[in-house]
Amino acid sequence: AQSVTQPDIHITVSEGASLELRCNYSYGATPYLFWYVQSPGQGLQLLLKYFSGDTLVQGIKGFEAEFKRSQSSFNLRKPSVHWSDAAEYFCAVGGDSGGGADGLTFGKGTHLIIQP
Amino acid sequence: DAGVIQSPRHEVTEMGQEVTLRCKPISGHNSLFWYRQTMMRGLELLIYFNNNVPIDDSGMPEDRFSAKMPNASFSTLKIQPSEPRDSAVYLCGSRRGTGELFFGEGSRLTVL
Repeated sequence: AQSVTQPDIHITVSEGASLELRCNYSYGATPYLFWYVQSPGQGLQLLLKYFSGDTLVQGIKGFEAEFKRSQSSFNLRKPSVHWSDAAEYFCAVGGDSGGGADGLTFGKGTHLIIQP
Repeated sequence: DAGVIQSPRHEVTEMGQEVTLRCKPISGHNSLFWYRQTMMRGLELLIYFNNNVPIDDSGMPEDRFSAKMPNASFSTLKIQPSEPRDSAVYLCGSRRGTGELFFGEGSRLTVL
């Protein structure tokens, strides 16, 4: 069974500081990996995704993530956070079992708080 | 382009009543997903459809939950009878193949 672990429930970062959100996954085949962001009362917005190829992927809003197969990790990073980055961040894993696109399994999320 | 459209955005009902949540996927997308989001359990995949056919409904919690997709542009999630523990945000998403999964803004359900 596939699963995603986000070990940090809350993270507090000062505005302008760097950010790293951790994500570990378990998946039986080559995974498709995603990071989503959710602002209060909103749906989920895709930040970036990894399917194959370059293990360092760039996303929107200045975010990037690195796929490390040996560590089963897909950590999200941003060199300098802005107050508007305060939100809930979700890592997700999915794939294609051959019957069509599979559903994504999400982690429990990391709540990011930005200090002025 | 219109995104995934869900209705109602908010629903308050009493225990025992029937609840129907609606979702219109993005045109051209062939997969549709229903998720339930709660603080305790996070995002749980309830059911998903490929080409209007239910593929995996193992996440549907009980027989009180049912979902249909009568055509490519409409899906419903029904709870009958509803219970207070069904209170949650229900998110619908759609995608084309293995592309980006786009989500609607969700339906917040409160069962009293």
